[in-house]
Amino acid sequence: SQTIHQWPATLVQPVGSPLSLECTVEGTSNPNLYWYRQAAGRGLQLLFYSVGIGQISSEVPQNLSASRPQDRQFILSSKKLLLSDSGFYLCAWSVGDSYNEQFFGPGTRLTVL
Amino acid sequence: AQSVTQPDIHITVSEGASLELRCNYSYGATPYLFWYVQSPGQGLQLLLKYFSGDTLVQGIKGFEAEFKRSQSSFNLRKPSVHWSDAAEYFCAVGRNYNTDKLIFGTGTRLQVFP
Repeated sequence: SQTIHQWPATLVQPVGSPLSLECTVEGTSNPNLYWYRQAAGRGLQLLFYSVGIGQISSEVPQNLSASRPQDRQFILSSKKLLLSDSGFYLCAWSVGDSYNEQFFGPGTRLTVL
Repeated sequence: AQSVTQPDIHITVSEGASLELRCNYSYGATPYLFWYVQSPGQGLQLLLKYFSGDTLVQGIKGFEAEFKRSQSSFNLRKPSVHWSDAAEYFCAVGRNYNTDKLIFGTGTRLQVFP
């Protein structure tokens, strides 16, 4: 069966510090991968998606970047965090068969102070 | 532009009462439709989905949803709510053959009173 992991689960970082959040998927090959952000009391905002290794599409201009160094690994990064980067970050994957169903990881709670 | 509207930000019901959460979408073709549930501090779990066929779909935890093309709606229902159903519920639509991208509504927070 397929599983998706995110770490860390929680993170508290000072403004201006770097960021690296990792997401890995097991039990599937060549998935589509997604990073979402959920601000407090808000819905889900799609930040990045990837349909293959090294293929990253950005949905919104921001302070963050994403990379996909391996087929089932998706990394969210920042060189210098802003206060507005605080939120709940969710990684998701889909099988890429056009049915659009996405499966979500447990999330990372990021607090920037 | 494609969009999803969940008009109710917050709903409160008593345990044992029936529930209906509304979802309306704007899409050029018949979309794929999803309902997800999120408990506090957790990821999203798929409740049910509609791709084609029978417009009344059954999901996990006793939930069901009905696709009404004429109303562009996909409302979620449950005949008797349990306290453990308290959570945030998201409706989503998609039909992108290349990326599987989904468009999410802003969510409805369900509170259940004993």
